Amino acid sequence: AQSVAQPEDQVNVAEGNPLTVKCTYSVSGNPYLFWYVQYPNRGLQFLLKYITGDNLVKGSYGFEAEFNKSQTSFHLKKPSALVSDSALYFCAVRLSGYSTLTFGKGTMLLVSP
Amino acid sequence: GAGVSQTPSNKVTEKGKYVELRCDPISGHTALYWYRQSLGQGPEFLIYFQGTGAADDSGLPNDRFFAVRPEGSVSTLKIQRTERGDSAVYLCASSLAGSTDTQYFGPGTRLTVL
Repeated sequence: AQSVAQPEDQVNVAEGNPLTVKCTYSVSGNPYLFWYVQYPNRGLQFLLKYITGDNLVKGSYGFEAEFNKSQTSFHLKKPSALVSDSALYFCAVRLSGYSTLTFGKGTMLLVSP
Repeated sequence: GAGVSQTPSNKVTEKGKYVELRCDPISGHTALYWYRQSLGQGPEFLIYFQGTGAADDSGLPNDRFFAVRPEGSVSTLKIQRTERGDSAVYLCASSLAGSTDTQYFGPGTRLTVL
């Protein structure tokens, strides 16, 4: 079985400050890891993914994430937050050889002006 | 190009009724997925199609739920004898094919069962 934990229901950060949204996973095999963002009343938008290779993955809108195998984590980061980054963020894992995604419960990011 | 589209965007029905939810994937994507998202939760997998066949339907909660993809493109999720607990946002996603490919999601259908 595979699972994803997003330990924070909400993250608050001031505009211009760095942000981190945490994600840890549990799989019995090689994981593929994804981050999606969801704006109100809209579907999920893909941000970035880790499949293999460099542990630091860069994605859309200036976001990046670091795969840490020893800590089974894939935290989402951005050096300087924008108010427009305020949204619901989901981490997801897919086991190598399988196609379905398992999502975390989501973390609401609120960036204040 | 056009993304994944889903219709209707909202569906209100009465308990016991039958509903159909439609998904149009991105052109050329052979893999199609249905997920269900309840309030305050992440999406949960329902069923996955590779081409016309259901490759994995292990997420369907019971036999009231059924999905088809007869021509390998558009898919319909069918729910019989709806229950209030079926109320959720139903999301469709598509991807090129393999397990490393990114799944792109549609805007979802919000189903409300009264």
